[in-house]
Amino acid sequence: KAGVTQTPRYLIKTRGQQVTLSCSPISGHRSVSWYQQTPGQGLQFLFEYFSETQRNKGNFPGRFSGRQFSNSRSEMNVSTLELGDSALYLCASSLRTGVMEYGYTFGSGTRLTVV
Amino acid sequence: AQTVTQSQPEMSVQEAETVTLSCTYDTSESDYYLFWYKQPPSRQMILVIRQEAYKQQNATENRFSVNFQKAAKSFSLKISDSQLGDAAMYFCAYRPPNSGNTPLVFGKGTRLSVIA
Repeated sequence: KAGVTQTPRYLIKTRGQQVTLSCSPISGHRSVSWYQQTPGQGLQFLFEYFSETQRNKGNFPGRFSGRQFSNSRSEMNVSTLELGDSALYLCASSLRTGVMEYGYTFGSGTRLTVV
Repeated sequence: AQTVTQSQPEMSVQEAETVTLSCTYDTSESDYYLFWYKQPPSRQMILVIRQEAYKQQNATENRFSVNFQKAAKSFSLKISDSQLGDAAMYFCAYRPPNSGNTPLVFGKGTRLSVIA
């Protein structure tokens, strides 16, 4: 069973550019969440999508956006990159079955470096 | 808002010994889920163990077990017979059931070193 796949694994961008990160969840998982991980702030929630709808959004500026496609694959986009956007971006998928919570399955992340 | 606190930024343990990582959380919910995740240098977060708050029995997964104290809002992870491969960042996380729009809330993590 394939896990959560994130592409690319590494990315170097220049300030002011934009970037798109991709996440393919585990087959059958319809919920995809994105987190930003930095040494100083730890894991910070970006947004969650379920069946193509954004269910929740973290406290990030509007430069951070995302979407989910009908096959549950998700993308996140960061426009007008800043040095502070350098981080590990983690995607996680989960099987939401009402009251049961099985936890997230994470991808290996995309390491974004802004220079 | 729910918060998760891991008070030990770093811990170390001798190989084959036992170590306990601490986690406390703050919530007004009576039902929720708690998790421990491991993040090795490979970066992928791996689910170690999961606890349902309505179950009084502490969860166990091989060498990993938890001490869940609901009244104290404490959820510590015990690693027995520590192995070199256990060296990683460990994150405690919380989520209420039927969470709807509530994301998984993580602690800041504890870096565990295993000494040969």
